[in-house]
Order: sequence, then structure tokens, then C-alpha cells
Amino acid sequence: DVKVTQSSRYLVKRTGEKVFLECVQDMDHENMFWYRQDPGLGLRLIYFSYDVKMKEKGDIPEGYSVSREKKERFSLILESASTNQTSMYLCASSLPRGTSGSTDTQYFGPGTRLTVL
Amino acid sequence: QKEVEQDPGPLSVPEGAIVSLNCTYSNSAFQYFMWYRQYSRKGPELLMYTYSSGNKEDGRFTAQVDKSSKYISLFIRDSQPSDSATYLCATSGGSNYKLTFGKGTLLTVNP
Repeated sequence: DVKVTQSSRYLVKRTGEKVFLECVQDMDHENMFWYRQDPGLGLRLIYFSYDVKMKEKGDIPEGYSVSREKKERFSLILESASTNQTSMYLCASSLPRGTSGSTDTQYFGPGTRLTVL
Repeated sequence: QKEVEQDPGPLSVPEGAIVSLNCTYSNSAFQYFMWYRQYSRKGPELLMYTYSSGNKEDGRFTAQVDKSSKYISLFIRDSQPSDSATYLCATSGGSNYKLTFGKGTLLTVNP
């Protein structure tokens, strides 16, 4: 079974702090994704990475950056946290299309509920 | 028009009822279709996956895709209180592998 883990389930930070959210997957997936989920807005893609050191902006990248130094690890960074970044953050991974067994299916971690005060 | 539309509910049914959850999509290039289940304060978990049109059954769950009408359905037979969750449809296809999600339907199954 695919396992995606996230470093914290709950996090409380102050406005202006730099925040690191870590995600690790153990299935050797090339693709990794960061989403935020808010009531009424659904899942929104922040950034994704299709290989080590490669990244692409999603739909709402403003205020965020990412880092992927190793295949299994994808970090989301809030350079200066703001109250409107209070949200549920979800990491996911998938195989690249064309790989045997690839179906575009993404596997999600448990989520980090971030509160910025 | 949003790419994937899903009625947010909430939907409340008695235990044992048959539940029908639905999504519509607009992009005819979509060819992969998924249903995720998300319990409160947890991450989404993959429930069903379907490629192109047709039905797929897994226990009490049946996923159905009608590409001609761009309609995706999930049926739950003999619903149980443990089925109470938010159900998200998702699609992908075309030139990239990103998933496009519906906003989710909140289902409550009452004992």
C-alpha cells in the first residue's frame, strides 16, 4: 500500500513566521502535489513536482514555495505566514503517466491543519 | 462553467438506503475517473477508479461513467453509518496528469 506521511497533524503559528510542512512518500512516486482544502472551495492545487528539483505552480501558488531535494520528500514553505493561510494542507503522490500501472490516481497523506494567529 | 460540478449536499439517508452521488464534467478529454472518501479531519482515500466509460463494482460500491453525457456516479448499496463522510469525484486526462476535483458531497447515514 502507498503510504504518504505528513510531519504534523496540527500546527499553530504566528503571523509572519516561516512555516515548513513536510511530506514523505514510500512508493517511489515521481509526482508529488500540495493542496489546500477550505470549506466551500474544495481542494486547490498549490504546487506540484514531477521530479527531483522540478516544480510547477498550481492554481494558487502565491505566498508559498516548495522544495524537492529527494524523490520521496516534498516540502511546502510559507515564507511569511498570514491568517488567510489558515487551512487544511494535503500532500499527495502519484506515478507518472505512461508508467506501468499508472492511472493518474493520487494518494493522499492525512493532512496538516494549520492555524495562523 | 466549472470543469467538474458536484452537488455539495448535505445528503442524509437512513441506514440500509441506496445512495447515489453524482458529478458532471465539461472537458471531453477526461478519461480517468476516481471517487475519494474523506472522513472528517482526515485526508482523502481512494475508493474507486474507472477508466473511460462503463461500470465498476467493488463490494457495496459501484462507479459508473457515461462519457456521452459527461456524467459520473457512485452508488452505495446497503449504506452504513460508517459510510458517513465527504465523497469527492475527480477526473484527469488530456495533456496533463493533474486531477480536477469536485467540491465534495457530505453524506450522513443515520442508524
